[in-house]
Amino acid sequence: GQNIDQPTEMTATEGAIVQINCTYQTSGFNGLFWYQQHAGEAPTFLSYNVLDGLEEKGRFSSFLSRSKGYSYLLLKELQMKDSASYLCAVRFNYQLIWGAGTKLIIKP
Amino acid sequence: DAEITQSPRHKITETGRQVTLACHQTWNHNNMFWYRQDLGHGLRLIHYSYGVHDTNKGEVSDGYSVSRSNTEDLPLTLESAASSQTSVYFCASSPLFRQGGAGELFFGEGSRLTVL
Repeated sequence: GQNIDQPTEMTATEGAIVQINCTYQTSGFNGLFWYQQHAGEAPTFLSYNVLDGLEEKGRFSSFLSRSKGYSYLLLKELQMKDSASYLCAVRFNYQLIWGAGTKLIIKP
Repeated sequence: DAEITQSPRHKITETGRQVTLACHQTWNHNNMFWYRQDLGHGLRLIHYSYGVHDTNKGEVSDGYSVSRSNTEDLPLTLESAASSQTSVYFCASSPLFRQGGAGELFFGEGSRLTVL
């Protein structure tokens, strides 16, 4: 079967750095997405990795290792507005498989 | 600006009633999707469409139907609402993956449905 695992919840301090991990077991792979979802709102696209390595986009970076079935989202200089759920999704055969999401709580 | 909109945003209905959730996008995307989101679960795919007159079942399609008569709209119908269908429903659209780029999904604001 297809499976994506993420921690359910994480807590971090404003101004700090946090890494949210995602591991996957799927029968194929055409890319990995990270989305941000604030409470009561729609998911919004953050990043896309299809090759191994690190993709940096401002305060957010996403890493992929296809051989390990592993990705992480790195958030730097945390702000209170980063309090949200972060969803990992793997695409294969033109379909997306979603993790349950990681709720990130930012404390002052 | 292009957008994707859902209506109604909130709906309360009774068991057995037929309910239709509307989704309209102005991105001119070929691909459209309906998901439901419940606590403890990832987004689960209900139905999807890759173009006009094309519809496909997702992993949780029982009790739901869709139709695609034009590029902009993909309404979701619950034929006979059940309490298990109480959920938040998201419509999304995306460009063709083959056209290059990530082909990321653009989501509507969501429709919260309660079935009593």
